[in-house]
Amino acid sequence: EVQLVESGGGLVQPGGSRRLSCAASGLTVTNSYMTWVRQSPGKGLEWVSTLHSEETTRYADSVRGRFTISRHNSNNTLYLQMNSLKLEDTAVYYCARWKAGSGFDIWGPGTLVTVSS
Amino acid sequence: SYVLTQPPSVSVAPGKTARITCGGSDIGSDSVHWYQQKPGQAPVLVISYDSDRPSGIPERFSGSNSGNTATLTISRVEVGDEADYYCQVWQSSNGHWVFGGGTKVAV
Repeated sequence: EVQLVESGGGLVQPGGSRRLSCAASGLTVTNSYMTWVRQSPGKGLEWVSTLHSEETTRYADSVRGRFTISRHNSNNTLYLQMNSLKLEDTAVYYCARWKAGSGFDIWGPGTLVTVSS
Repeated sequence: SYVLTQPPSVSVAPGKTARITCGGSDIGSDSVHWYQQKPGQAPVLVISYDSDRPSGIPERFSGSNSGNTATLTISRVEVGDEADYYCQVWQSSNGHWVFGGGTKVAV
C-alpha cells in the first residue's frame, strides 16, 4: 500500500524552528515529485513547497527564505525545515505526491504546527 | 499572482446536480485538478486534468474546463458528498501551484 505519514508538528514560539518529516512507504521519494501543502484553521489549502525528482525546488512567496524542503534517500523521507516561524504559519501541514497524468494522488493525514507564545 | 475564484458555498438537494465553478484568467488553457476534503481528513483527488476521474471515484463526478471557467459537476448528489471542494492549477510561469479558495457543498 502506498502511504505517506507526517510527523514533527507541535507548539513552537514565534521566531522558532521546526522540522517536519513525511515518511513514505510503497513509493520512493527520490523518484517522486513531492510537495507540502498547508491549511490554517478554518481556511483553505495553500501550496507551500515542491521538490522535483531532479532536485529542483519551489517555494511559495510566503515561506521563501524561511522554509527548506529536502529528502533523505536512505530512509525514504521528505522533510520541511521551518525557520523564523510566524503566527500565520499555524496550520496542518500535509505532504503529497504528484504523479504525472494523475495529479496529487497520495496525501498524508497531516501534522499540526501551532505557532504561539 | 494567479487567482482562482470559487463560490464559498453551494447547496443542493439529494439526487440533484451540483455544479462548482472555478474562475481564472484563461483557465481553459491550463489543466485543472479538483480535490474533495471532508472534515478532519486529508484532501482526495476527484478529477485530474480537467475531466479525468481517478480509480475509485464515482462516475457521478465529472469536470469541464473552457475559457475563464472550470466546472466540477456532481450528479445524483448523495449526503456523503458533503465536503469542501478545491480546484488547483499549475503556473508554468514560475512552477507554483495555486488552489482556489474552496467551496463547501451542503446537501
